[in-house]
Amino acid sequence: QVQLQESGPGLVKPSETLSLTCGVSGYSINSGYYWGWIRQPPGKGLEWIGNIYNSGSTYFNPSLKGRVTISLDTSRNQFSLNLSSVTAADTAVYFCARVSWGLRDSYNYFYYMDVWGTGTTVTVSS
Amino acid sequence: QSVLTQPPSLSAAPGQKVTISCSGSSSNIGNNYVSWYQQLPGTAPKLLIYENNKRPSGIPDRFSGSKSGSSATLGIIGLQTGDEADYYCGTWDNSLSTGVFGGGTKLTVL
Repeated sequence: QVQLQESGPGLVKPSETLSLTCGVSGYSINSGYYWGWIRQPPGKGLEWIGNIYNSGSTYFNPSLKGRVTISLDTSRNQFSLNLSSVTAADTAVYFCARVSWGLRDSYNYFYYMDVWGTGTTVTVSS
Repeated sequence: QSVLTQPPSLSAAPGQKVTISCSGSSSNIGNNYVSWYQQLPGTAPKLLIYENNKRPSGIPDRFSGSKSGSSATLGIIGLQTGDEADYYCGTWDNSLSTGVFGGGTKLTVL
């Protein structure tokens, strides 16, 4: 059974960098799939942050204006999120997820998150 | 403002049927497959439907999905109080090159 678990500081100061890790058990991140991050501000909906493939290729939400990096640590079977220059608007529950992504019928993409972590709350405050 | 549009809330009685709509455009739903997620209060989202109408193992057949043009629909029959949750649609957007979600629909079963 594949399980994901987020970890990291629950409180980050404004202008600093938010760093989270997602530990994966029951599946080797080297074996395929994309791995992604999603967040949910208090009382709001889901916001897509970005994802990474085991080749290292990444896609990010342009609204985060280059503040995001996602990396893989295959030796520890985990992947990480760094979000720099945080403000109160970055306060949210952060989820990691396994992502299925590919082409069907030559030009239609399928894209979905089939396994999610439980989420970790990050508050940006001084 | 979400790229995909869902009704903010819906309500229905136990045992009834409900449909949740998700409207997009040719750059997302119109040319890609749709997924649906259920988020029970205080928990992580769970995949309900993928590739428009497929159910992962363990998801009851009371839940169904469909797509027509640039819109998709989640259907739930035989509503139970345990179905009270937020429901989100999602897909890939070819123009933005990002994953996108709907704003979510809060379903109340009363």
